[in-house]
Amino acid sequence: QKEVEQNSGPLSVPEGAIASLNCTYSDRGSQSFFWYRQYSGKSPELIMFIYSNGDKEDGRFTAQLNKASQYVSLLIRDSQPSDSATYLCASLAGTALIFGKGTTLSVSS
Amino acid sequence: DAGVIQSPRHEVTEMGQEVTLRCKPISGHDYLFWYRQTMMRGLELLIYFNNNVPIDDSGMPEDRFSAKMPNASFSTLKIQPSEPRDSAVYFCASSQTDQNEKLFFGSGTQLSVL
Repeated sequence: QKEVEQNSGPLSVPEGAIASLNCTYSDRGSQSFFWYRQYSGKSPELIMFIYSNGDKEDGRFTAQLNKASQYVSLLIRDSQPSDSATYLCASLAGTALIFGKGTTLSVSS
Repeated sequence: DAGVIQSPRHEVTEMGQEVTLRCKPISGHDYLFWYRQTMMRGLELLIYFNNNVPIDDSGMPEDRFSAKMPNASFSTLKIQPSEPRDSAVYFCASSQTDQNEKLFFGSGTQLSVL
């Protein structure tokens, strides 16, 4: 069964720090990986996606992919209280996204 | 575009009743997905359609669940009869391609079965 695993948290960081969110996946055939942010009571929204091994940067966010280790991470630099949310990792299995259960991030001011 | 539109936003019903959830995808999106989210199981894929045709319904939990997409702008997810364990947030999402680079979610339907 294709699975995506995340530490549920909560992960607590002070404002301005780097938040590191991690994810592992079971399907070696997965080629694409996605990070979604979900505020409480809201729907998930896409932050970024990554296909290739290495790093991909978008503003304060950096996604990292290591296919050999089946590991994906999301770094949030200069964390802000507005970053407090649940972060969902997903892998593309065929056509549909398979999501992890999410990691709750809390950024304190 | 108004985005993916779901209705109702909240549904409270009694066990045994029929529940119908509705979704209007973004115009031009060929893929439509139904997900269910609970604290215990996270966000689970129930079924998805491509060009109105159901492609994979392996995530549909039981025969009590059914989904249809009669045209490109409308889909329904029906639960009959409903049970308390069906209580969850049901999300509809649509995408323009099969690579899901931009998968857009609706606001969800909060279902409570008493």
